[in-house]
Amino acid sequence: GQNIDQPTEMTATEGAIVQINCTYQTSGFNGLFWYQQHAGEAPTFLSYNVLDGLEEKGRFSSFLSRSKGYSYLLLKELQMKDSASYLCAVRDSWGKLQFGAGTQVVVTP
Amino acid sequence: ETGVTQTPRHLVMGMTNKKSLKCEQHLGHNAMYWYKQSAKKPLELMFVYNFKEQTENNSVPSRFSPECPNSSHLFLHLHTLQPEDSALYLCASSHPPGTSGRDTQYFGPGTRLTVL
Repeated sequence: GQNIDQPTEMTATEGAIVQINCTYQTSGFNGLFWYQQHAGEAPTFLSYNVLDGLEEKGRFSSFLSRSKGYSYLLLKELQMKDSASYLCAVRDSWGKLQFGAGTQVVVTP
Repeated sequence: ETGVTQTPRHLVMGMTNKKSLKCEQHLGHNAMYWYKQSAKKPLELMFVYNFKEQTENNSVPSRFSPECPNSSHLFLHLHTLQPEDSALYLCASSHPPGTSGRDTQYFGPGTRLTVL
């Protein structure tokens, strides 16, 4: 089985930076995904990491350390529209995704 | 617009009703998934279809019955549900599941189901 842990909620100010951590324990690992989900909407794909290191995509970056079972999603220059739930998901050896419960990010003016 | 649509978006049903959820994808994928999302809980994988064949049934009660007539359409037939089945039901699609980044799953907006 797999355990995916991420904080329940984080609050930050518009223009600031927020880092959402995700730790996982797996019996097999073949990649880690981050999704963004606004209330009442579909989760949308943000990033994918399979090798150690940092992947940057505009204001969003994702980092992976396989030896530590750890990833983070970094949101820079926060905007009000970034208020959403951020889901960490780990893919196992058979291609199945296991999701964390999500981190609700609240951006304040 | 993610290329995955779901209908209806909201559904209220009694425990004795029979209803169906529909999912359609326009992304040329061959794998489709049903997930259940309850408040404050992780997405739970229910079923996986790969090239129209069911490859995963994650110990889902028989009151949920999936159907995949082709690679673009996926249904979830519901009957004699319980109030604890109330949740957001999400459909997703991808290239065949494997170990590369090409099998990223793309989600539909979900059906908000309430069982009375």
